[in-house]
Amino acid sequence: EIVLTQSPATLSLSPGERATLSCRASQSVDTYVAWFQQKPGLAPRLLIYDASNRAADIPARFTGSGSGTDFTLTISSVEPEDFAVYYCQQRSGWPPAATFGGGTRIEI
Amino acid sequence: QVQLQESGPRLVKPSGTLSLTCVVSGDSITTINWWTWVRQSPGKGLEWIGEIYHSGSPNYNPSLKSRVTISVDTSKNQFSMKLTSVTAADTAVYYCARDSRAGMDHWGQGILVTVSS
Repeated sequence: EIVLTQSPATLSLSPGERATLSCRASQSVDTYVAWFQQKPGLAPRLLIYDASNRAADIPARFTGSGSGTDFTLTISSVEPEDFAVYYCQQRSGWPPAATFGGGTRIEI
Repeated sequence: QVQLQESGPRLVKPSGTLSLTCVVSGDSITTINWWTWVRQSPGKGLEWIGEIYHSGSPNYNPSLKSRVTISVDTSKNQFSMKLTSVTAADTAVYYCARDSRAGMDHWGQGILVTVSS
C-alpha cells in the first residue's frame, strides 16, 4: 500500500500569508495526486487533480506541483475562508487503490 | 447539477452489516466515472473504502476487502455498499463520491453511522 505523509500537521498563518503544504508518497505515484479542502461538518472539496490541475471554480491562488514522490499545495495569499484541513490523495499501484494523507490543518 | 445522496441505517449493532446506498442525480451512473465510498472516523482523516465502474469489477481498500462489497444498480441510478462484521471502529461518516479520474469532483453530504448495541 502506498502511504502518503503530509507535513506539517498544523500550519498557523495570518490572512495574506503564503501557505506551503507538503505531501510525500512512499513510492512513486507519477502525477496521480489530488488535493482536497475540508471544513467542519462538510464533505471534502476537490481543489487540484493530477498534481497541478485546478478543479472547476477553484481560485487561482491555489497551485499544485510535484511528481514522483514529492508534492506541494501552495496558497499564494491565504484568505479567511481558507482556514480548513487539507488532504492529499493518490491513485496508483496495482491492484487499483487510492489512499489519503493524514491532513494538514491551516489555522489562524 | 450532479448530486449524490447517501441513505441507510444510522445505527448498526456490533457484528452486524452496515448497508448504505448512494442515489445519483444529474448524471448517469453508466457514464465514464467511478463511483466511490470514503469514510471518516470522528475527528480523524479520510479513508478510501472502494469504488466501482458500472460495467466492471469493483476495487477495494486491501484493509477492508474481506468485509466490503460495492455494487451498482443502473436501473435506479444508484450504487451501494455493504460492510460486514462491524465493530465500534467502523463508526464514521460515510461519503459517496464521483471519481471522474480528474479527481473526486462531486460528493454526497455524508451520513454518520454509529456501531453500538
